[in-house]
Amino acid sequence: DTEVTQTPKHLVMGMTNKKSLKCEQHMGHRAMYWYKQKAKKPPELMFVYSYEKLSINESVPSRFSPECPNSSLLNLHLHALQPEDSALYLCASSLTEGVTYNEQFFGPGTRLTVL
Amino acid sequence: DAKTTQPNSMESNEEEPVHLPCNHSTISGTDYIHWYRQLPSQGPEYVIHGLTSNVNNRMASLAIAEDRKSSTLILHRATLRDAAVYYCIGPLSAGNMLTFGGGTRLMVKP
Repeated sequence: DTEVTQTPKHLVMGMTNKKSLKCEQHMGHRAMYWYKQKAKKPPELMFVYSYEKLSINESVPSRFSPECPNSSLLNLHLHALQPEDSALYLCASSLTEGVTYNEQFFGPGTRLTVL
Repeated sequence: DAKTTQPNSMESNEEEPVHLPCNHSTISGTDYIHWYRQLPSQGPEYVIHGLTSNVNNRMASLAIAEDRKSSTLILHRATLRDAAVYYCIGPLSAGNMLTFGGGTRLMVKP
């Protein structure tokens, strides 16, 4: 199983809502990542978890709150988002942190629209 | 910030070879060159990576210049399914993380 799954595929939320994105992998990977991708732009790294601990936070606003409950699961909790946060949110995983010797496996993404 | 330069777009005919260039003049002697691609409506997927010598796998070949300041991703026979944005990455950002630049949008004509 070399798949990273993400749910939901699409999400529409208001600026006062609280919602969560979910990512799952069963490849035994110990590093998991969240990326944000705006339309026609490349993905941008948001967070990195290594062995279930937050390793990198790329100065992401606190309205995005990541969580790694176990080695297979990664969540992104959303609260009080702005319309400019509308984007494709991609999850990825790799055997260990960083890509010097690892490839990253990406999920299909959750397309988020904030009204 | 991305430290590579790629053409914005390229076009190819189906079943012909495609050579996708990338300049990475700031690369150090120990930085690998990574290629990922993103098919429409999908997340990126790994294509290939290499350090010095040319590399081959089932998807593509990677030809690295002797001075390592440029590389070329070679698709030997383009198919319609190869239409995607191809990202060349190198060097990595802090923590050995992927930093995606603009990439090259490859269009494949039947």
